[in-house]
Amino acid sequence: ILNVEQSPQSLHVQEGDSTNFTCSFPSSNFYALHWYRWETAKSPEALFVMTLNGDEKKKGRISATLNTKEGYSYLYIKGSQPEDSATYLCAFAGSGGYQKVTFGTGTKLQVIP
Amino acid sequence: NAGVTQTPKFRVLKTGQSMTLLCAQDMNHEYMYWYRQDPGMGLRLIHYSVGEGTTAKGEVPDGYNVSRLKKQNFLLGLESAAPSQTSVYFCASSYSLGANNEQFFGPGTRLTVL
Repeated sequence: ILNVEQSPQSLHVQEGDSTNFTCSFPSSNFYALHWYRWETAKSPEALFVMTLNGDEKKKGRISATLNTKEGYSYLYIKGSQPEDSATYLCAFAGSGGYQKVTFGTGTKLQVIP
Repeated sequence: NAGVTQTPKFRVLKTGQSMTLLCAQDMNHEYMYWYRQDPGMGLRLIHYSVGEGTTAKGEVPDGYNVSRLKKQNFLLGLESAAPSQTSVYFCASSYSLGANNEQFFGPGTRLTVL
């Protein structure tokens, strides 16, 4: 079983604050790292799929970086808004002949107006 | 496009009963997945399929069976439901080479086993 850890488990930020959280994954046999956004009562939606060490992806106020050598990815939200409130999941895909991902338990973000 | 749909949305079963959850996708995706989501745990893969007629075990396959008779459908069966199978079940699909392609999720099925 692969160990994919996310921290913090939850956090509250004020509207307008910027924030970031971490996904840690095995540094060997890396294939891809996914980030998903999961709003309450909805289903997860993909934010980014990252495959190269040093990758940086951006979508609006949300961005992500990837370090495959040390096994971590950061997700940043600039100027948080109440609509950013959600659980953010990362998922690690390792090489080795199978095509599936292992999900972390998520970081639950609440943005306080 | 409807994307990924799941039937039913909710179900209550008694221990020992059987049921089938249906997942359908209209995106012509090769890969389909069944996950369960429990409090304090990440999405855990039950079974997956890399194409019509093929299935494979995931992380937590015991007590479940699956079939992929048509490319667009992926069925999850519980032959004899147990309270430990109370969970929210999510189906997902992705274009080929699933690991570096985003997954599209269905709305989930909330199952309670009494």
